[in-house]
Amino acid sequence: SQKIEQNSEALNIQEGKTATLTCNYTNYSPAYLQWYRQDPGRGPVFLLLIRENEKEKRKERLKVTFDTTLKQSLFHITASQPADSATYLCALNMYSGGGADGLTFGKGTHLIIQP
Amino acid sequence: DVKVTQSSRYLVKRTGEKVFLECVQDMDHENMFWYRQDPGLGLRLIYFSYDVKMKEKGDIPEGYSVSREKKERFSLILESASTNQTSMYLCASNIAQGVDEQFFGPGTRLTVL
Repeated sequence: SQKIEQNSEALNIQEGKTATLTCNYTNYSPAYLQWYRQDPGRGPVFLLLIRENEKEKRKERLKVTFDTTLKQSLFHITASQPADSATYLCALNMYSGGGADGLTFGKGTHLIIQP
Repeated sequence: DVKVTQSSRYLVKRTGEKVFLECVQDMDHENMFWYRQDPGLGLRLIYFSYDVKMKEKGDIPEGYSVSREKKERFSLILESASTNQTSMYLCASNIAQGVDEQFFGPGTRLTVL
C-alpha cells in the first residue's frame, strides 16, 4: 500500500538557522507533491506545490526539492523565525476522480523555532 | 479570499445518532473534500466530490456518506455515529482539474459519547 513518511514528529531549530523537513513515499509515483502548514486548532494552509518534472521550487524563505528517484521531498525554511513554528504536512495526490485529486497526507512534522 | 466555512467548531453527539457536518465554500470551486484528522494518524481522506451529485471514495469511507446537492455545499453524514468517529473533521475545496492547492475550513471537532 502507499505510504508517506515525514522524518520526525518534532524538530527543534535555533532561530536564524535553516530548518529541513523530509517527506518520503513508497509504492507510488505522484504527479506532484504539496506542502502545507497547520497551526493548532486551524485547518492546513497551502505553501508550495512541486511537479514531478521539477527539481526545485522557491517562495521567499521556503524551498522545496523533489527527487522522484529517491521518492523524497525536502522542505527548507531559511533564516527561520519563531513565527515559523507550526506543523508542516506533505501531501500527494493518491485519489483521483472526475478531475479532482484527493490528497494523502503525511503525519506531519512539528517544527519549533527557538529564540 | 477563498472562504471555506464549516457549520460548527465543536459538536457533541451520542452513539447511534445521525450526524450532519456541513461545509460551504464561496469561490465557485468544483471540487470539495472531507478529511478527518487524528493524533498519530494525520489527515485522511474520507470522500470527495468533483461536481454536484458526484462523489468518490477516499481512503476511509466506511461509516460515512456524503451529499452534494449544490455546488457550494458539501455535507458529510454519519448515519449512526460511533465513538471511533470522534475526531477533527476538515473540509476543503479547490478549482477543477486537480493540480491546485486545497483551501481548508477551520474544522469541526466532533465528540461521540
